[in-house]
Amino acid sequence: EAGVAQSPRYKIIEKRQSVAFWCNPISGHATLYWYQQILGQGPKLLIQFQNNGVVDDSQLPKDRFSAERLKGVDSTLKIQPAKLEDSAVYLCASSRASRLTDTQYFGPGTRLTVL
Amino acid sequence: AQKITQTQPGMFVQEKEAVTLDCTYDTSDPSYGLFWYKQPSSGEMIFLIYQGSYDQQNATEGRYSLNFQKARKSANLVISASQLGDSAMYFCAMREGGGSQGNLIFGKGTKLSVKP
Repeated sequence: EAGVAQSPRYKIIEKRQSVAFWCNPISGHATLYWYQQILGQGPKLLIQFQNNGVVDDSQLPKDRFSAERLKGVDSTLKIQPAKLEDSAVYLCASSRASRLTDTQYFGPGTRLTVL
Repeated sequence: AQKITQTQPGMFVQEKEAVTLDCTYDTSDPSYGLFWYKQPSSGEMIFLIYQGSYDQQNATEGRYSLNFQKARKSANLVISASQLGDSAMYFCAMREGGGSQGNLIFGKGTKLSVKP
């Protein structure tokens, strides 16, 4: 079974530019998550999708971040415009559902550097 | 208040010995789950082990076991017979049963280094 795929793996941009990340979850997984992991910290949830609907985006900075999961499979996360403090690893994860016991499986992440 | 606390920023262990990584948590929800993940330098978060708040026995998965002490709100990870490949960051995480059941709350992690 293929794991969670993410691209690109690395991205370097100037502040005020825009950037987009892509995620393909494990086949059959209804729930998809985007996390931000700043250096030296644990991941923090940005947004959670159940199929193509948003379940939780309370920690997403909506003035600059947006995410979509149009057909309930792939997802994109966009930052526009980027700030220096957005430098982080962006992790995508998926799970079969969002029950307490459903394990989240993570992709390799995208390391973003904002100069 | 932090919901997940990992007090050991870094740990060293000799190859083939056992090591315990500490995790304490804070929740008023009677239904919750505790997870441990490993993050090697490559960056991917690898799921290791899960413990539910109502589970009667401590979880075990191969060389990993979870020392779950509910009254103390601790969920320490024990790695037996350490291997060089165990060198990585280890994160404890919790998911609460009420409200949104998807949100994993992570601690700051412990960096484990295995010495040959």
